[in-house]
Amino acid sequence: EVFLTQSPATLSVSPGERATLSCRASQSVYSSLAWYQHKPGQAPRLLIYGASTRATGIPARFSGSGSGTEFTLTISSLQAEDFAVYYCHQYHNWPRYTFGQGTKLEIK
Amino acid sequence: EVQLVESGGGLIQPGGSLRLSCAVSGFTVSSTFMTWVRQAPGKGLEWVSVIYTGGSTYYADSAEGRFTISRDFSKNTLYLQMFDLRAEDTAMYFCARGSDAGDFDYWGRGTLVTVSS
Repeated sequence: EVFLTQSPATLSVSPGERATLSCRASQSVYSSLAWYQHKPGQAPRLLIYGASTRATGIPARFSGSGSGTEFTLTISSLQAEDFAVYYCHQYHNWPRYTFGQGTKLEIK
Repeated sequence: EVQLVESGGGLIQPGGSLRLSCAVSGFTVSSTFMTWVRQAPGKGLEWVSVIYTGGSTYYADSAEGRFTISRDFSKNTLYLQMFDLRAEDTAMYFCARGSDAGDFDYWGRGTLVTVSS
């Protein structure tokens, strides 16, 4: 099983500032990594797949980078609607899909 | 427009059974792989089960032997039959569509399963 460790668990950032979220895999998942945004009561939303490709309709302020075992999600200028929980997800080791434990992005 | 709508959740006693449904529109369940993911209260996302286009099915260790994933092409619906439910199965259950790249590109809002006496 591939374990994903996200850091930090909680990130406090002011609107307009940059947020950087990390995801580390216990073994290489190459570029088979996705990021999701999840707000209470809503469906999780795919932001990034293939480690760095934005999904359809995702604003350019969201960007993903990394490969192998180290990945980063960057939100360049936080908007009010960006405060949520973010999960990374590896699908290299299918069908044993795994998620990180999540990073809660909160307003500072 | 792609939509997934889960139903079938509720309060169930330990040892009981429940069948969750995921009605989809905007695509067909036969055209791509489909999956179930759950989120226990206060916890993160946990993959539960997947069914691939050819019909192969796989389960997380926590679901193996107790859950069965299936689909009905005529109803364009995904199912999760759950048996021998335990308190630790209490969670919001989401269905999601698998993309060609392998990620889960569309999700439903979930249906809540509470296992308690």
